Amino acid sequence: AQSVSQHNHHVILSEAASLELGCNYSYGGTVNLFWYVQYPGQHLQLLLKYFSGDPLVKGIKGFEAEFIKSKFSFNLRKPSVQWSDTAEYFCALRTGGYNKLIFGAGTRLAVHP
Amino acid sequence: GAVVSQHPSRVICKSGTSVKIECRSLDFQATTMFWYRQFPKQSLMLMATSNEGSKATYEQGVEKDKFLINHASLTLSTLTVTSAHPEDSSFYICSARDLRYAPEETQYFGPGTRLLVL
Repeated sequence: AQSVSQHNHHVILSEAASLELGCNYSYGGTVNLFWYVQYPGQHLQLLLKYFSGDPLVKGIKGFEAEFIKSKFSFNLRKPSVQWSDTAEYFCALRTGGYNKLIFGAGTRLAVHP
Repeated sequence: GAVVSQHPSRVICKSGTSVKIECRSLDFQATTMFWYRQFPKQSLMLMATSNEGSKATYEQGVEKDKFLINHASLTLSTLTVTSAHPEDSSFYICSARDLRYAPEETQYFGPGTRLLVL
């Protein structure tokens, strides 16, 4: 069965530090991958998505993610975080032929000024 | 991104009553919507897939008679929690499938409905 693993459950950083959140999935076929962010008290927002083509995907707010097929990974990165990036981040997988998304457990990021 | 709304944002009800939650896609038509449940500090668990004009598809372990889904139009899906009990208290989130940029379809999420059953 398909699954998504996010290894870091809680991450604490200082402003201006670099961020990398891990996401690994298990599925042998074609995948679509997403990162969503949930700011405190707000709904999930799409940060970025990968369908095909360039494995380095750029999203909103300076985030990017790299799809590495050989590692079944789709890690999220940001070179310099801000206090406003404090949120929960979810990686999600959609496999070919299925509409539904499979979510990872989420990573709670706290950025201290 | 596309906009999805949910109503109400919060609801408190007595045990044994039914509660209806609406999910609307505001600027696009959605033949497919999804209903999720999110427990505190946990991820989203898909409950069911709502298809316009046909029966919903429920995930394993979700009682279809308890969580009634109706997708009567291309912009509206409703989730009715019937005979609610305290264990049904949760955060319910809907999403709508945006096909305008297919095959790069994306799901957009509503703000969620917090249900508290007393």
